[in-house]
Amino acid sequence: DTAVSQTPKYLVTQMGNDKSIKCEQNLGHDTMYWYKQDSKKFLKIMFSYNNKELIINETVPNRFSPKSPDKAHLNLHINSLELGDSAVYFCASSPRLHEQYFGPGTRLTVT
Amino acid sequence: QQQVKQSPQSLIVQKGGISIINCAYENTAFDYFPWYQQFPGKGPALLIAIRPDVSEKKEGRFTISFNKSAKQFSLHIMDSQPGDSATYFCAASIEGTGNQFYFGTGTSLTVIP
Repeated sequence: DTAVSQTPKYLVTQMGNDKSIKCEQNLGHDTMYWYKQDSKKFLKIMFSYNNKELIINETVPNRFSPKSPDKAHLNLHINSLELGDSAVYFCASSPRLHEQYFGPGTRLTVT
Repeated sequence: QQQVKQSPQSLIVQKGGISIINCAYENTAFDYFPWYQQFPGKGPALLIAIRPDVSEKKEGRFTISFNKSAKQFSLHIMDSQPGDSATYFCAASIEGTGNQFYFGTGTSLTVIP
């Protein structure tokens, strides 16, 4: 019954590796997002997709690439991981303007 | 550039007291101001939200006060409880911009029993 789910919950990997985080929502929402929350808990939007189309692409290194195979899924692929990529990544979805529902987060640790 | 400024960074309140968190913004085009509550290890969850055409919105013990002329809004938690201990984020968004939220920097609230 989880509305917005992410896998994995924890991800520990070494610098230089490539990893993916998956997100799925079963709410029928049209819009999905990726946020990064740093160690100071600051939340920053990275990407937004509406019906599989990219609509927000903030200043994010091109090592980060979102992929939306369908409107219920938005995955985040990260190439050549760096220490500074360590953070909690949240997926969110939205049924309409001004409402967002967040997933439980994926804690990424790069060593 | 921080679009929404939030204070204080941390707050300690006695059980039963009033918790007040403040936010300020510059962009007068913002037309939606939500507050999110985040418990450790969880994602943020919508708590309460307001639009600029009203000055106050109350839901249970949570109230948003909105001052359009001052470009400020605040969250008041009445009769604060230990279960309210969490991080609170204010945010702002503009209709028609892909629903992009600009979050404040968060306030860590601790309610002491």
